[in-house]
Amino acid sequence: DADVTQTPRNRITKTGKRIMLECSQTKGHDRMYWYRQDPGLGLRLIYYSFDVKDINKGEISDGYSVSRQAQAKFSLSLESAIPNQTALYFCATKDRADGAQYFGPGTRLLVL
Amino acid sequence: KNQVEQSPQSLIILEGKNCTLQCNYTVSPFSNLRWYKQDTGRGPVSLTIMTFSENTKSNGRYTATLDADTKQSSLHITASQLSDSASYICVVTSGGSYIPTFGRGTSLIVHP
Repeated sequence: DADVTQTPRNRITKTGKRIMLECSQTKGHDRMYWYRQDPGLGLRLIYYSFDVKDINKGEISDGYSVSRQAQAKFSLSLESAIPNQTALYFCATKDRADGAQYFGPGTRLLVL
Repeated sequence: KNQVEQSPQSLIILEGKNCTLQCNYTVSPFSNLRWYKQDTGRGPVSLTIMTFSENTKSNGRYTATLDADTKQSSLHITASQLSDSASYICVVTSGGSYIPTFGRGTSLIVHP
């Protein structure tokens, strides 16, 4: 089984709709991150969390919100989706010891 | 502002040939530098990690080098294979921060 899972893997939605992307991990890591990736651009950080009670904004948090329901779960919400939020979204966890990030398989989101 | 620049943006080589990807960074203070491989449609996977005191590190046919004085790193791929076709991302973390800075990646295509 994958260590970091994301649901859904693909999603098409309309402008103005609220959607939630979910991330679960079995690695036991405290740190979790949400990134978006656009063609030709690097991964950009949306939000990150170092434990259940800790939520921090990344460089592009406007239009997004997150919830850390448990150590293993970190959800990303788009309150009112807009077309320029069309992107590939990745969840990642981080091992405090060696610092490597472990990425989920990604969610491909299309906002019409 | 912390930045990571990668070159070339894209590269096409023939199977069996060697290639070298470059990464320049302005992240300070420096903690570590990682190279990730991202296959199309998948999340990035860590290949190597370099800390300040390390000059070279190998992982199979992948060899990373680091020059902390000039703030440059390279990833050398030997005897390329079709499965090496992917995006290679340089990621630098600063000391005291747990937020990595991502480069935009180099897209490598290996032709038979």
